[in-house]
Amino acid sequence: DAGITQSPRHKVTETGTPVTLRCHQTENHRYMYWYRQDPGHGLRLIHYSYGVKDTDKGEVSDGYSVSRSKTEDFLLTLESATSSQTSVYFCAISESKSSGRPEQFFGPGTRLTVL
Amino acid sequence: AQSVTQLGSHVSVSEGALVLLRCNYSSSVPPYLFWYVQYPNQGLQLLLKYTSAATLVKGINGFEAEFKKSETSFHLTKPSAHMSDAAEYFCAVSDQGTYKYIFGTGTRLKVLA
Repeated sequence: DAGITQSPRHKVTETGTPVTLRCHQTENHRYMYWYRQDPGHGLRLIHYSYGVKDTDKGEVSDGYSVSRSKTEDFLLTLESATSSQTSVYFCAISESKSSGRPEQFFGPGTRLTVL
Repeated sequence: AQSVTQLGSHVSVSEGALVLLRCNYSSSVPPYLFWYVQYPNQGLQLLLKYTSAATLVKGINGFEAEFKKSETSFHLTKPSAHMSDAAEYFCAVSDQGTYKYIFGTGTRLKVLA
């Protein structure tokens, strides 16, 4: 199994509070991703990173920011949590290849509840 | 923009019956294609991926998928369903030139005894 951990695994917070989720990998992969999973929507990309300090927005980036100061860590921050951000958050990693496209490896997920 | 459609959010089959889960993509240029499986309270794991080496791709646990360019499809099949196949299945695509992956909305497979 790919070495990906997410912390915390569960969190309950209140509307308006800041929240930071952490993704840590031991694979030294270049690409890291944050998704949210909601019933009926599958996985939707929030942000992704293609290297240290290099990040880009996904399809549902409003209300979220990310940072990657080291290869192994990718942080997702909700500056002011809202109830609509209650979801399960998954981190994923992948590596670049000269040909073809590698698969992603997923972390175990973080269940976030915003009251 | 690229999109992925999975027809049928829920599919039920009897144990031993054929499993067919459908996936269609939107772009005219064939993307990279993947199928993932998610068991309850777990992350996603790769079932198989299309690498353009062959149109019929074999994956783990007896699953396979056939790439059909003319139909822009990448349907997942398994000849004989097992109770342990009950899970949610996601089709994903990634366009050439980008490392973004787009996921379908998922199909939950139920296997009836």
